[in-house]
Amino acid sequence: NAGVMQNPRHLVRRRGQEARLRCSPMKGHSHVYWYRQLPEEGLKFMVYLQKENIIDESGMPKERFSAEFPKEGPSILRIQQVVRGDSAAYFCASSPVGPTEAFFGQGTRLTVV
Amino acid sequence: AQKITQTQPGMFVQEKEAVTLDCTYDTSDPSYGLFWYKQPSSGEMIFLIYQGSYDQQNATEGRYSLNFQKARKSANLVISASQLGDSAMYFCAMREGGSQGNLIFGKGTKLSVKP
Repeated sequence: NAGVMQNPRHLVRRRGQEARLRCSPMKGHSHVYWYRQLPEEGLKFMVYLQKENIIDESGMPKERFSAEFPKEGPSILRIQQVVRGDSAAYFCASSPVGPTEAFFGQGTRLTVV
Repeated sequence: AQKITQTQPGMFVQEKEAVTLDCTYDTSDPSYGLFWYKQPSSGEMIFLIYQGSYDQQNATEGRYSLNFQKARKSANLVISASQLGDSAMYFCAMREGGSQGNLIFGKGTKLSVKP
């Protein structure tokens, strides 16, 4: 049973470009969460999705950020017109139904130059 | 107010000794879950242990145990027989029952195990 898969592991973008981060949840998990970790900080919740639905996006910046979890394929976190402040590690986690353990992917480290 | 507080930015422990990492939480929700994660220098987040608010016994997983004191709202992680590979950042997190499930993280404790 493969774990949560994120790709790419490292992503470098110039200011103004778009960043697309992908997350495939564990088999059987229908809940996906995205978190952002700034250097020397804990993780901060961004968005919670189930298949084809955004359940909670209270942690998402209002502009330039969007997320989807289509019926088929991975969840995508999209950042348009990236700025240097977007440089961070972005983690995806998945869990089955209910408040049990959440399993994280290895993260995507975005660097904006 | 901070929902999860980890008061120890850094801790040192001698190899083979036990160490306790502190975590206090704040919630008015009667249903919640508490988690500990390890983040080594390579960056991945590794799930260690989970405690539900209604669990009667403290959770244990190998060398990890969670000292759950509900009245004090504390959920300290105890690592027994420390190993060099335990050197990492450790994050405490909480999931509130009514929150749709997202985790709230503390700022972490950096544990260094000395040989």
